[in-house]
Amino acid sequence: GAVVSQHPSRVICKSGTSVKIECRSLDFQATTMFWYRQFPKQSLMLMATSNEGSKATYEQGVEKDKFLINHASLTLSTLTVTSAHPEDSSFYICSARGQEGFYEQYFGPGTRLTVT
Amino acid sequence: GQNIDQPTEMTATEGAIVQINCTYQTSGFNGLFWYQQHAGEAPTFLSYNVLDGLEEKGRFSSFLSRSKGYSYLLLKELQMKDSASYLCAVSNSNYQLIWGAGTKLIIKP
Repeated sequence: GAVVSQHPSRVICKSGTSVKIECRSLDFQATTMFWYRQFPKQSLMLMATSNEGSKATYEQGVEKDKFLINHASLTLSTLTVTSAHPEDSSFYICSARGQEGFYEQYFGPGTRLTVT
Repeated sequence: GQNIDQPTEMTATEGAIVQINCTYQTSGFNGLFWYQQHAGEAPTFLSYNVLDGLEEKGRFSSFLSRSKGYSYLLLKELQMKDSASYLCAVSNSNYQLIWGAGTKLIIKP
C-alpha cells in the first residue's frame, strides 16, 4: 500500500523559533497533500491543502504567514511553523492523495510538536 | 453548513459486536470513509463506501445509505486492540474530507 512518512516524529522547540516538518510520499506521486492539526481528545482539523507547484489553500482561521506550506515536488511537502508559541503545541499530521482516483488519503505517522 | 455526527464514546465487551453510527450533511457526496486512530498515532484507513449497502472486510463492516445520510461501522468479535477512536469522514463535491469528531471505543474484558 501507499506509504507516507513524516519527519521529525517529535520535536521540542523554544518559543519564537521556527520548526519545519517534512511529509513525503514514498511509493506514489502525491498531487495533493493535506496538513492537519489535532489537539488532545479532539478530531482532526484541516489546516491547508497543497497541490504540487501551486500555493496552498488555507482553511479559515489558519494564518498562512505563520504556517508556511511548500509543495515543491510530487513526493514532498513541508510545513514550517514560524515564530512558534506554546499554543502551537499539537499533533501535526499530513496526508497525501495520489493521481489515480480522488478518494483515499494516506496519512503520515504525525509529528508531535512541543513549544516551551 | 457541513457536519458529521457520531457518538463521542462507546463501551463494549471483548468478543461482542458494536455498531458505531455516523450521520452527515455535506455539500455533495463522493464517498464516506472510516478511519481508526489509536491514541498518539495517525489515522489508518478502514473502509470506503460510495454506493448504498454493506461492505464487509474481515471483522469490520461498513454500511451506507445515501438517501438517509447515514453510515455505520460494525465491529465483530471485539478484541482489546480495537480500543481506539473511530473517525467518520465524508468526501464532498470538492473531494475535500469533512471529518467527524470521532467515537472513542472502550473495550472491557
